[in-house]
Parts: sequence; structure tokens; C-alpha cells
Amino acid sequence: EVQLVESGGGLVQPGGSLRLSCAASGFTVSSNYMSWVRQAPGKGLEWVSVIYSGGSTYYADSVKGRFTISRDNSKNTLYLQMNSLRAEDTAVYYCARDLYFLGQRSDYWGQGTLVTVSS
Amino acid sequence: DIQMTQSPSSLSASVGDRVTITCRASQSISSYLNWYQQKPGKAPKLLIYGASSLQSGVPSRFSGSGSGTDFTLTISSLQPEDFATYFCQQSYSFPYTFGQGTKLEIK
Repeated sequence: EVQLVESGGGLVQPGGSLRLSCAASGFTVSSNYMSWVRQAPGKGLEWVSVIYSGGSTYYADSVKGRFTISRDNSKNTLYLQMNSLRAEDTAVYYCARDLYFLGQRSDYWGQGTLVTVSS
Repeated sequence: DIQMTQSPSSLSASVGDRVTITCRASQSISSYLNWYQQKPGKAPKLLIYGASSLQSGVPSRFSGSGSGTDFTLTISSLQPEDFATYFCQQSYSFPYTFGQGTKLEIK
């Protein structure tokens, strides 16, 4: 059974850093495309980043240069390193497995982890 | 960036109704359009990909159509569990933008 479990969220001050983890089971992270999507409180969904199975990475302009997506193949875990955090980064962060045949889409999602950026 | 605009933003309907939600892209995205359903406090759930392909396990009352810039999600006969928020997403080019969402409420 495919499962994704995020962790690492919490309260952080503006300018601070946080690393989110997404532990996967039931499939191999390194063989798949993996994404992060966030949702500010009461707002819509915002795509954040993706890492391809080959290692290529892409980011939303709003996080480029501040966030880094990566994975640890030995732990079958996806990460999102978030630096220089701003109030507008406050959101629930979801990791997702992406399929790409007939168009990229996220077929499995984690439960989300809340990041709050506030002083 | 490609802008995705959904209409309506909210919709009231009754069990058994046929409902259609529209999503328009600011430029052609071919058929690279996904639809997700989200219930309060839960992660989104994939319903439709490639504009019209039904995700495995999703009831056949859900269907999608369109290509280019105009797309629709149709629920043929609303069930109580369908009351939720629906988002479209383009996967044609980065960033993979979402529509603002359509909240489907019980009339």
C-alpha cells in the first residue's frame, strides 16, 4: 500500500529555516517524480517544487533560491529544505507522488504538515 | 505563468443534480489538465487527469472534457460525499498552477 507521511512542520520565526520530511512506503521515491504542494490557511493550492526520477528539480518562483527539494534513497524519503522563511510561506505542506504518463499528476498525497512563520 | 480560472467559485446543488464546473487556461495547455477534490482538513484527491481520463477507483459519475484552453468537470448525479472543493491544475508547463477552487455546497 502506498503511503506518504510528512513531518517537520512547526512554528518558525521569519528568516528562519525548517526541513520537511516525507517518508514513503509501498513504492520507491527515487524511481518516481515527487512533488511538494502547499496550501495557506483558507486558501487554494500552490505547487511548490518537483524532483524527477533522474534528479532534475523545478521550483515555483515564489520559493526559488530559498527552498531545496531533495531525497535520500536509502531512507526512501523526500525532503524540502526551507530557508529565509517569510510570513507568506505559512501553509500546510503536502508531499505527493507524481505520475507522468498522459500528463503529470499527483496520485498519492501525504496528510500534510503545517508550517507557521511568525514572530 | 499560465493562469487557471475556475467558475463558479461556489455552487449550491442538491443530491441527484448534474453539476458542471469550468476551468479556463490563459493559454493553450493541450490536454494537460487535472482535477482534484478536497474535503476540509484532508489532502486533495486526484479525480481526472489528461483532461478526461478517470483516475482508478473514482466513481464513473465524474467525467472531464475539453482541450486547449477550456475544460469542464461534470458530476452526473451528485452524491452526499461529493460536497467538497474542486481544483483544476495544468501540467503543461512550470509552474504547475492550480485554479482558485470551486466550493460545492448542499442546497
